[in-house]
Amino acid sequence: AQKVTQAQTEISVVEKEDVTLDCVYETRDTTYYLFWYKQPPSGELVFLIRRNSFDEQNEISGRYSWNFQKSTSSFNFTITASQVVDSAVYFCALSEHPSSGGSYIPTFGRGTSLIVHP
Amino acid sequence: EAQVTQNPRYLITVTGKKLTVTCSQNMNHEYMSWYRQDPGLGLRQIYYSMNVEVTDKGDVPEGYKVSRKEKRNFPLILESPSPNQTSLYFCASSLSGTQGEKLFFGSGTQLSVL
Repeated sequence: AQKVTQAQTEISVVEKEDVTLDCVYETRDTTYYLFWYKQPPSGELVFLIRRNSFDEQNEISGRYSWNFQKSTSSFNFTITASQVVDSAVYFCALSEHPSSGGSYIPTFGRGTSLIVHP
Repeated sequence: EAQVTQNPRYLITVTGKKLTVTCSQNMNHEYMSWYRQDPGLGLRQIYYSMNVEVTDKGDVPEGYKVSRKEKRNFPLILESPSPNQTSLYFCASSLSGTQGEKLFFGSGTQLSVL
């Protein structure tokens, strides 16, 4: 069974600090997909990134970067020079590749609430 | 604009009074699903649908029903709501549901069952 652990329930930082959100996953599949979604205070869920299990390249998008390490089953998310607008709940999610044409049921972590103080 | 539309945004009801939360997507997506979000528990899938007339249980289906009569619509039905179904509900869709595509989410429905 697949599992996603976000051990940090809440992180509080001051603006301009760097912050890393941890995500550890468990799966028996060799083909799977990892995601990060952001939920700002307004409540909607916004897609940030998708990675498949064969692509271990780290990714950078502006102040956001993601470190995917299969050896440690981790997919961590770093925000550089955090801003108040980064305050949100961040979810890591895992989808296994379906077998026999079936669908996948993505598993979400419990989320990490990031609070960025001015 | 590509979107998933959920209604209503807020809903207060009483135990046992049947209700329906509507969900519609305009992206011609095959895959649609419903999640509930509870504090400390993250998002848990209730039901999903691969295509018209094809639905299946997620992790927490008890007390819920769904239907997929048209590709664009996927309503969530609570035939006899109970207080433990008080939660924030999200509808989501993706292109096929078979290739690990990203999910597009509706704006959420906050349900309170008294």
